[in-house]
Parts: sequence; C-alpha cells; structure tokens
Amino acid sequence: QVQLEQSGSELKRPGASVKVSCQASGYTFTNYAINWVRQAPGQGLEWMGRINTVTGEPTYAQGFTGQFVFSLDTSVSTAFLQITSLKTEDTAIFYCAREYYDSSGSYSDYWGQGTLVTVSS
Amino acid sequence: DIQMTQSPSSVSASVGDRVTITCRASQTISSWLAWYQQKPGKAPKLLIYAASNLQSGVPSRFSGSGSGTDFTLTISSLQPEDFATYYCQHTNTFPLTFGGGTRVDIK
Repeated sequence: QVQLEQSGSELKRPGASVKVSCQASGYTFTNYAINWVRQAPGQGLEWMGRINTVTGEPTYAQGFTGQFVFSLDTSVSTAFLQITSLKTEDTAIFYCAREYYDSSGSYSDYWGQGTLVTVSS
Repeated sequence: DIQMTQSPSSVSASVGDRVTITCRASQTISSWLAWYQQKPGKAPKLLIYAASNLQSGVPSRFSGSGSGTDFTLTISSLQPEDFATYYCQHTNTFPLTFGGGTRVDIK
C-alpha cells in the first residue's frame, strides 16, 4: 500500500535550520511528483511547491523561495524539505503529498502524517 | 495567481442535514479542482478530484460539481464522522492555491 512516512517533530531555536524527510513506499517513487504543504497553527493549508522526482526540478510558490529548499534522494525514495534561518513565525506542520496526474487532472492523493516544526527561543 | 474563495467559512449542521460548500476561482480553471477533508490532528484526505470524480473509498454521500469558476461540494446526509474542515484546491497552473477552508461543526 502507498505510504508517505515523515520524520518526527522538531524543536528549533530562531536562526537554526531543519530538514524534514518524507519517505515513500508502495509505489515507484519517480512516477509521481511530491508536493509540500504548510499549515500554521489554527490556520488553513498553503501550497509551498512541488518537486519533480524524475528531474529533481523544484517549483516554489511565492513566499517560499530562498528560505525553503526541496531535494530528493531517489535511491531511498525520499523527498526532503530544508528550512533555513528559522523564525518563530515558521512554526507550523509541514505535509508532503504524492501528486497524481492524468488526463482528468492533478491532485494530492496520498499524504504524509505531517511534521510539526516548532521554532522557539 | 489564481485565488480560491470558499464560502461559508463555517457552518453548523445536524446529523442527516444536507450541506453545501462553495468554492469560487478568480479565473477559469476548467475542471481542475480537488476537495479535501481534514479532521483535527490529521492530514488532509482527498475526497473529490477533477471537480466531480469521487476518490476511491469515499462514501457516495459526497459529491462535487461545477466547472469554470464556480464549484460545489455537497454532503447529502451529514454523518457524525463528517464533522471536519473542507478545503478546495485548484490544480490548473502553479501555484496550486487552496481555498480558506470551511469548518463543518455540530449544531
């Protein structure tokens, strides 16, 4: 069965960096892109961007450039989200999701369980 | 960027009620729209894709309709497990924006 397993919660100081992992299983990793979604405490969902798992090409939404970096290790079917120069307002749950695409459209059909990143001094 | 506006932002309903949630795109997106359900402390779950296609395993009381700029998610007979927050998302062009969400709670 398809699963996306994310790394555990993180507590970081302002100015630090964090790297969240998303390991896929149950399907061919390079057949589907990976989307990243942010959810601040008590807020809605924000699409951060996605990474093409064949080429490694990332696409970032406005507001998620520079500080946020998507990467891959296809040998272990894993996508990564690195966040640098953390600020308290970066506290959020970060989700990875598999992007299914066909003639009917594109959508996130499987999601990781989410990784809570807390930034606090 | 395409903006997605959901309404209402919250709705109180009883078990057995029919609930309708609307999502409007700021420009035409054909049928490139998905609906997700999120329960507290859980990841979102795909309900509807391509505006009206029911994802496998999702109960038939959920349905989606619309094309162009105006879309609707309908729950025909609300069940206790349906109390959650619902989000639309367009998948027409990058960025793939979500609507602000609609919370469905118990009246």
